[in-house]
Amino acid sequence: AQKITQTQPGMFVQEKEAVTLDCTYDTSDQSYGLFWYKQPSSGEMIFLIYQGSYDEQNATEGRYSLNFQKARKSANLVISASQLGDSAMYFCAMREGRYNQGGKLIFGQGTELSVKP
Amino acid sequence: EAGVAQSPRYKIIEKRQSVAFWCNPISGHATLYWYQQILGQGPKLLIQFQNNGVVDDSQLPKDRFSAERLKGVDSTLKIQPAKLEDSAVYLCASSLFTGGSGNTIYFGEGSWLTVV
Repeated sequence: AQKITQTQPGMFVQEKEAVTLDCTYDTSDQSYGLFWYKQPSSGEMIFLIYQGSYDEQNATEGRYSLNFQKARKSANLVISASQLGDSAMYFCAMREGRYNQGGKLIFGQGTELSVKP
Repeated sequence: EAGVAQSPRYKIIEKRQSVAFWCNPISGHATLYWYQQILGQGPKLLIQFQNNGVVDDSQLPKDRFSAERLKGVDSTLKIQPAKLEDSAVYLCASSLFTGGSGNTIYFGEGSWLTVV
């Protein structure tokens, strides 16, 4: 069964420094997608970055990059130059990708990131 | 482009009462999801629609929860009767297709339910 594990309940980072949020996954499917979402205290889930299982390059979106290690089944999020506005819950999620089958996201437990001034 | 719209944002009800949440997905998105997020946990899928048909409702407590998506656009999630453990954020989300892993799922701001 597919599963997402985030082992860091909470993380602190100094403003302007980089931080890595860990995510490991388990799936028997060959085709899948990995997502990271940010959830501020307002509750909305904000899409950050996506990595496909067949993508050879690590995904990057502005200050966000995804360190994808397929053999280790890990998909860590790296945030560079942290800002105070980055303080939020971060969720790793996976979607199995067989065409015409359910494309639901399975979420991890989340990591609460606090950025210190 | 307008995002996923949800209402109401906040609702407080007594146990055994009923409540309904409404969702309007992003225009053109055929797939609509309802997730339940209990405080301190990741969201859990309740039901997934493709147009107006149900794709997955395996984790929907059907004795008290119901959902519909008439005409393949807006959707309503109902809880009747509510229990204390239903206190959660109910997130609606939508995406273009159900197949393939790369189609991003976009979420609304959520409807916060407190059952007292």
